[in-house]
Amino acid sequence: GDSVTQMEGPVTLSEEAFLTINCTYTATGYPSLFWYVQYPGEGLQLLLKATKADDKGSNKGFEATYRKETTSFHLEKGSVQVSDSAVYFCASSGGSYIPTFGRGTSLIVHP
Amino acid sequence: EAGVAQSPRYKIIEKRQSVAFWCNPISGHATLYWYQQILGQGPKLLIQFQNNGVVDDSQLPKDRFSAERLKGVDSTLKIQPAKLEDSAVYLCASSLVLGLLDRDEQYFGPGTRLTVT
Repeated sequence: GDSVTQMEGPVTLSEEAFLTINCTYTATGYPSLFWYVQYPGEGLQLLLKATKADDKGSNKGFEATYRKETTSFHLEKGSVQVSDSAVYFCASSGGSYIPTFGRGTSLIVHP
Repeated sequence: EAGVAQSPRYKIIEKRQSVAFWCNPISGHATLYWYQQILGQGPKLLIQFQNNGVVDDSQLPKDRFSAERLKGVDSTLKIQPAKLEDSAVYLCASSLVLGLLDRDEQYFGPGTRLTVT
């Protein structure tokens, strides 16, 4: 079946550091790919998405590019802030439209 | 626009008891999802509805879990009887429509935290 694998956390960074959270997927067909974020005490919300190969999703300074050849959708941000501290989930819609989520990566940003 | 509503927010029950969760999706959203999120893991889809029909329930433990969406709007998820391993956050989400090219964002509710003792 479909699966999503994310790098284990927590990822701990200083403010203004560069962030990468790796995500790879296996899926039948041509899935859409998503990054969701869960801030402390809040529900999941969509951060960005990409619907086809080579698409780049971006929002709030975060970016991720849909790489079909490496089946990856890595999340990046050039300069993180303390307010970016949260849990980040990579997800795939799957070729059969059944959503699949990764385990989540906790990001902790220190001032 | 009102978000996805869920109740209760917290529930503590003993094993072998039953429990029900309620979800009201965003108005006009045809697709509704129930997820189970165990601590430290990502959400796992339990069941997916399109209007009042089931799209997928392959990961729903049907011997103890049931869900319905009778009028294609709000939904109820039930567990009977509960086991210790059912302790988790139960998330409800909705999206506009599930079509041939499903690109719709899912909107999540705040979740119900269930503790089974």
